[in-house]
Amino acid sequence: GAVVSQHPSRVICKSGTSVKIECRSLDFQATTMFWYRQFPKQSLMLMATSNEGSKATYEQGVEKDKFLINHASLTLSTLTVTSAHPEDSSFYICSARQSPPDTQYFGPGTRLTVL
Amino acid sequence: QKEVEQNSGPLSVPEGAIASLNCTYSDRVSQSFFWYRQYSGKSPELIMSIYSNGDKEDGRFTAQLNKASQYVSLLIRDSQPSDSATYLCAALSGSARQLTFGSGTQLTVLP
Repeated sequence: GAVVSQHPSRVICKSGTSVKIECRSLDFQATTMFWYRQFPKQSLMLMATSNEGSKATYEQGVEKDKFLINHASLTLSTLTVTSAHPEDSSFYICSARQSPPDTQYFGPGTRLTVL
Repeated sequence: QKEVEQNSGPLSVPEGAIASLNCTYSDRVSQSFFWYRQYSGKSPELIMSIYSNGDKEDGRFTAQLNKASQYVSLLIRDSQPSDSATYLCAALSGSARQLTFGSGTQLTVLP
């Protein structure tokens, strides 16, 4: 159990385009999902906390207008990187909280490359 | 600022040995702790969770928690080359129930 999927797994896009990443909890409902970013050889960096039916909470330094998060259902959260630039190239990973117990399960990640 | 610190590594052990990974945390309010394994280029995978003082065993893995010392560890018995990965220690805290991660310890098990 506790399976989280992410789509797409890999995306290459041109600078200035927008990219949408989906995160789904497949076998449980998740009122809270989290979005992380990871650069090579660095640890996970929390970008935002996504709560079903309400606005996401962004970490300091993360532009909410650039990284749009929507959590419209108990099993789906989306992250849209708007007007992507090469510096946005990274590994984006979502997690979904299963409770009880209060545990986060991670999706397989999306590798974004902006040319 | 809530912090989770791990021994920097990298850590190398021979196949069949015990690998010991350590972690300390600064937020005394933290109640739940997790070990994730992350293979290169992949996302983290949950290995163990621990909530109470003492040891918790699951197969070749044993997690240890000492809240008085604010210390969490992970022992991997009979280490295998497939255990070679980065191990992330995480503490759950705060009203938002967010995970605070350590920087990770890279483990290499030598055949």
